[in-house]
Amino acid sequence: DGGITQSPKYLFRKEGQNVTLSCEQNLNHDAMYWYRQDPGQGLRLIYYSQIVNDFQKGDIAEGYSVSREKKESFPLTVTSAQKNPTAFYLCASSIALDRVDGELFFGEGSRLTVL
Amino acid sequence: KNEVEQSPQNLTAQEGEFITINCSYSVGISALHWLQQHPGGGIVSLFMLSSGKKKHGRLIATINIQEKHSSLHITASHPRDSAVYICAVPLYFHTGNQFYFGTGTSLTVIP
Repeated sequence: DGGITQSPKYLFRKEGQNVTLSCEQNLNHDAMYWYRQDPGQGLRLIYYSQIVNDFQKGDIAEGYSVSREKKESFPLTVTSAQKNPTAFYLCASSIALDRVDGELFFGEGSRLTVL
Repeated sequence: KNEVEQSPQNLTAQEGEFITINCSYSVGISALHWLQQHPGGGIVSLFMLSSGKKKHGRLIATINIQEKHSSLHITASHPRDSAVYICAVPLYFHTGNQFYFGTGTSLTVIP
């Protein structure tokens, strides 16, 4: 079955540590996205990518980094520079960034807690 | 300013009731998405529509492009419909499409 796999589902981090969240898709989608979800707020875009080795900053990219070395993989690193990293992180994909009719597919999310 | 506004924020219904969730947006769009976020956190796409009405089982989505408004209806609601419902619109930037999301409507259906 095609879909998006995120791991880990739960992650605890000490202050000052970098952590990497995994996102893998087997939908053959070109476009991939990382969103952050906080209580009472809509999903906010961290980074997005439309092709291998290319990615763009979203609205809240500070303190995060990504890579897109393979079409199916788009890992997100939450660095120690992110001042408030405790949140729920969602990875998504769609067929292509220039297709407005592309359906969005989401992973199950990763919940990061800073201790 | 939020490009996408949803109402109500929270909704409690008795099993069997007809439910309506509303979404208004302030920008021109070519399509609107309705999403469902279940209690575990994962999100699934329910509908993508650009005009008229779509129906999947007990769920019906409508959109009025001129009025910039969409509604999601649930007929004969059931406790398993309890979830957060989110509308989203794609906006095109020169770097590609980005999606803007409403803050969601939290629905609880009581047996």
